Amino acid sequence: EAQVTQNPRYLITVTGKKLTVTCSQNMNHEYMSWYRQDPGLGLRQIYYSMNVEVTDKGDVPEGYKVSRKEKRNFPLILESPSPNQTSLYFCASSPPRQGPMAGYTFGSGTRLTVV
Amino acid sequence: DQQVKQNSPSLSVQEGRISILNCDYTNSMFDYFLWYKKYPAEGPTFLISISSIKDKNEDGRFTVFLNKSAKHLSLHIVPSQPGDSAVYFCAASEYTGTASKLTFGTGTRLQVTL
Repeated sequence: EAQVTQNPRYLITVTGKKLTVTCSQNMNHEYMSWYRQDPGLGLRQIYYSMNVEVTDKGDVPEGYKVSRKEKRNFPLILESPSPNQTSLYFCASSPPRQGPMAGYTFGSGTRLTVV
Repeated sequence: DQQVKQNSPSLSVQEGRISILNCDYTNSMFDYFLWYKKYPAEGPTFLISISSIKDKNEDGRFTVFLNKSAKHLSLHIVPSQPGDSAVYFCAASEYTGTASKLTFGTGTRLQVTL
């Protein structure tokens, strides 16, 4: 089954304790992206990656890092989490842009709480 | 600055009736528009898209209309079913030459009542 897998689904952590949210896709997609969803703000892009070793900032990159060492994996790293990073996070992937827009495939989400 | 706006946070419709969800945008460089549906505890799932060169796209019960002069699009669901109850996100795509960047609206929660 074609899918994007995020782990963990739920995470409660303390301020300053480094954490990583993993994302993996099995569709051989070049493009991967991280979003956060907050009430009243919709989905905002954090970082994206065009391909292996190619990453760039989205609209809200502060406090986050990413890496793309393999095509299938795109982990999101919070080096020193703060309470304002409490949010619902989604990873997404898509094939290269060709023809009509088919949309992204999203993971099931990771609900992060930073206390 | 919100480039994609969904001004109605929620909408309630009776089963069998038409649901109309609206979305406005400000960026003239958007070349595709998409609708996503999201159930609780799941990721958004792609529903339907439309190119900026078209004004209508239909897929079964779902039709998206685009009015470029008004920078407005809408999603029509006919007939509405209880399983359509979800949050709907409007998204707009801008091709930067290397990537298609999606900008999302804030979402509209649709409730289809019996």
